[in-house]
Amino acid sequence: EPEVTQTPSHQVTQMGQEVILRCVPISNHLYFYWYRQILGQKVEFLVSFYNNEISEKSEIFDDQFSVERPDGSNFTLKIRSTKLEDSAMYFCASRTTGGLWAPDNSPLHFGNGTRLTVT
Amino acid sequence: GENVEQHPSTLSVQEGDSAVIKCTYSDSASNYFPWYKQELGKGPQLIIDIRSNVGEKKDQRIAVTLNKTAKHFSLHITETQPEDSAVYFCAASRSSASKIIFGSGTRLSIRP
Repeated sequence: EPEVTQTPSHQVTQMGQEVILRCVPISNHLYFYWYRQILGQKVEFLVSFYNNEISEKSEIFDDQFSVERPDGSNFTLKIRSTKLEDSAMYFCASRTTGGLWAPDNSPLHFGNGTRLTVT
Repeated sequence: GENVEQHPSTLSVQEGDSAVIKCTYSDSASNYFPWYKQELGKGPQLIIDIRSNVGEKKDQRIAVTLNKTAKHFSLHITETQPEDSAVYFCAASRSSASKIIFGSGTRLSIRP
């Protein structure tokens, strides 16, 4: 079964450094998302991306964050200047709702996440 | 704003017994309600979902119910097994491309 893959599985970075988290969504999916989960807490929405632009973002997703789909397969999350409080598990997700025969609200498929540790 | 409340935060049941997790949502425009299971070190995995035009859905030992009037939905797991131990998240979404809002999670432990 196709799956969302994320790299790296664990990233350690120093405060103030830039970090890029990478994701390869499922190939026929149209909508892409980043979520984060601080240890022991709920999964929080960051941003959604469709047709090469951001469709929605949360208040967490400030100017330090950006997303890109540079080559039609990878979907990246960049944090420009990391802070200690950015330490979390970051999950990429994708889904498709395209086509006449696809049901509305198709399931969201998550990757296994990148654990980001900011020191 | 949109919010999903989930209870209980932890749940311990004897193997073979049933487990029930309950959620409420605030956004009356929500019409899609998935449930995710998260095992240690992994991303959330969809286990079952329900749409607003349906009141109940069952898949083997798992069932979900939805009360749109009360904005409540629940997950029921019958004949629990050790491999059911995990964190379970309810979630709600408005429409096909909208973000999914998660509840705070329930850590389910199955006692042998």
